[in-house]
Amino acid sequence: DQQVKQNSPSLSVQEGRISILNCDYTNSMFDYFLWYKKYPAEGPTFLISISSIKDKNEDGRFTVFLNKSAKHLSLHIVPSQPGDSAVYFCAASSRSGNTPLVFGKGTRLSVIA
Amino acid sequence: EPEVTQTPSHQVTQMGQEVILRCVPISNHLYFYWYRQILGQKVEFLVSFYNNEISEKSEIFDDQFSVERPDGSNFTLKIRSTKLEDSAMYFCASSFEGSPKRGELFFGEGSRLTVL
Repeated sequence: DQQVKQNSPSLSVQEGRISILNCDYTNSMFDYFLWYKKYPAEGPTFLISISSIKDKNEDGRFTVFLNKSAKHLSLHIVPSQPGDSAVYFCAASSRSGNTPLVFGKGTRLSVIA
Repeated sequence: EPEVTQTPSHQVTQMGQEVILRCVPISNHLYFYWYRQILGQKVEFLVSFYNNEISEKSEIFDDQFSVERPDGSNFTLKIRSTKLEDSAMYFCASSFEGSPKRGELFFGEGSRLTVL
């Protein structure tokens, strides 16, 4: 039962170009979405989030877009830097209570210098 | 910068043995979580804990699992009789607000459990 899907296990991008990581969800009750970044031998770290009342949230080089009708969100990183190379997890939650985050399987981003 | 710390970083155990994984959440956080990630798979929710009791648990968190906050700082996950399929990276997390819509979870670096 994959409520949060990241269909691309890996992505390679040239330094300076845009990285686009995609995430789809199936549970229409989800209304809060987060992206976490994970380096090897470290725990996930929060990157950026978006509430369902918005369709875009920007923080520096990172922008998250939400398309509720398509149940799809994406993370854009521009310009990509070698230090961005990590596994990126999409996560979702419902506002209705203290529901736990549901994570996708992650996408490994490699930014090539 | 405050952080969540976990010990041990790696534990190898024999099937059927008991394992305790320890976590020190960020000091002013009120909500505590355990997640796990089997190699190559997604990060899965195990349990959340607030006000000295479990607030939610997943199907994975069966009778073999238990959590405890024995003192004001530690938060432990116990697996009573480990199985091969318990081999995974176990992440502890904490947050100040229970609903993640206001506060993100802060994760520890993880404890890798290998069951032989």
